[in-house]
Amino acid sequence: DVKVTQSSRYLVKRTGEKVFLECVQDMDHENMFWYRQDPGLGLRLIYFSYDVKMKEKGDIPEGYSVSREKKERFSLILESASTNQTSMYLCASRHRVLGTEAFFGQGTRLTVV
Amino acid sequence: GENVEQHPSTLSVQEGDSAVIKCTYSDSASNYFPWYKQELGKRPQLIIDIRSNVGEKKDQRIAVTLNKTAKHFSLHITETQPEDSAVYFCAPLRRQGGSEKLVFGKGTKLTVNP
Repeated sequence: DVKVTQSSRYLVKRTGEKVFLECVQDMDHENMFWYRQDPGLGLRLIYFSYDVKMKEKGDIPEGYSVSREKKERFSLILESASTNQTSMYLCASRHRVLGTEAFFGQGTRLTVV
Repeated sequence: GENVEQHPSTLSVQEGDSAVIKCTYSDSASNYFPWYKQELGKRPQLIIDIRSNVGEKKDQRIAVTLNKTAKHFSLHITETQPEDSAVYFCAPLRRQGGSEKLVFGKGTKLTVNP
């Protein structure tokens, strides 16, 4: 069974704090993704990575950064959390081979107060 | 960047009816076209996909059709059941050098009324 695990299910942080969201997958997937999900806006791509230490911006990278030091782990960093970053964050991973499924983590509900 | 649009945003059908959701994309380099289903409180899961060299694929009550010329693909669900109620997302994928970008549509909320 493929497992994509996010470090926290619920998180409450204060404005201005530095926040780390961790994602770990156990299937040796090359590609990993971070999305945020908001009502009516679907899943919006923040950053993705196709290999260790490689990263590319998605559609809404502002206010976020990422780190991929090991193949199995992809971290999303909110440098200085703001209330408009309150959202559900979903991590996903997939093999690079065309036509393979993306597997999602359970999501992290982040509230910034 | 990739522009992905889904229609309709909400769809309500009676049990047993058919449902069709359409996804339009802008990037002609897209070459893989999956549909994901997200039930309330759960993570998205792949339900069906199609590659660019195929026009149609069917799996029991669900099917996907692709029109590459017009740059759209559609999800078809026949004989709908209450458990089909969920949000459905299309996610055309584009390979770009060593990277792949998986961009999702905004989703279609399907409600199947018993």
